[in-house]
Amino acid sequence: GAGVSQTPSNKVTEKGKYVELRCDPISGHTALYWYRQSLGQGPEFLIYFQGTGAADDSGLPNDRFFAVRPEGSVSTLKIQRTERGDSAVYLCASSPGVGYGVYNEQFFGPGTRLTVL
Amino acid sequence: GENVEQHPSTLSVQEGDSAVIKCTYSDSASNYFPWYKQELGKRPQLIIDIRSNVGEKKDQRIAVTLNKTAKHFSLHITETQPEDSAVYFCAARTFNAGNMLTFGGGTRLMVKP
Repeated sequence: GAGVSQTPSNKVTEKGKYVELRCDPISGHTALYWYRQSLGQGPEFLIYFQGTGAADDSGLPNDRFFAVRPEGSVSTLKIQRTERGDSAVYLCASSPGVGYGVYNEQFFGPGTRLTVL
Repeated sequence: GENVEQHPSTLSVQEGDSAVIKCTYSDSASNYFPWYKQELGKRPQLIIDIRSNVGEKKDQRIAVTLNKTAKHFSLHITETQPEDSAVYFCAARTFNAGNMLTFGGGTRLMVKP
């Protein structure tokens, strides 16, 4: 079946602009995660959704970052007034649910490479 | 919150040799430890994982060991092949405090033919 997909694959924007990054999780997966990966580092958690609600947004760096998942499937990460320091690969992951079961592996998308000039 | 340290940051081995990557974590409540392989420009892919009620798990050439008392876990790759070359990330997840993964800094493994 189809894996997690993300669009666009690359996004170049100017400092101060607004951007939206989209994530399509695996069909039926109720949990969705956003991570940010800077060059040469491991992914860092931003926010996760269980269904439509943000269950934990403690990783969002500031109030310029916001994410939604209105119908419990597709999610959009929104960044206002972009800064050069926002440049990174933004990864989305989904899992069937949350909990201790073996089926809760997180499957990652290919990421969106954001470059802020 | 959880903190995961990973070392070495780079590892070069000859084809056929073994490779070992080590991670430590800080939160004793963490109970699930996956390992991801990421090739250049690609998505992270799960290669093996282990839960806190298990001390060791093996899948063909790869194995993971967990020492809960010392709060460290390791990835072992035997009979390395050039296609094993990639960046490997360990991670820890605490189910009772959120479901996010906290990743280590990564290890770049280079297998020389």
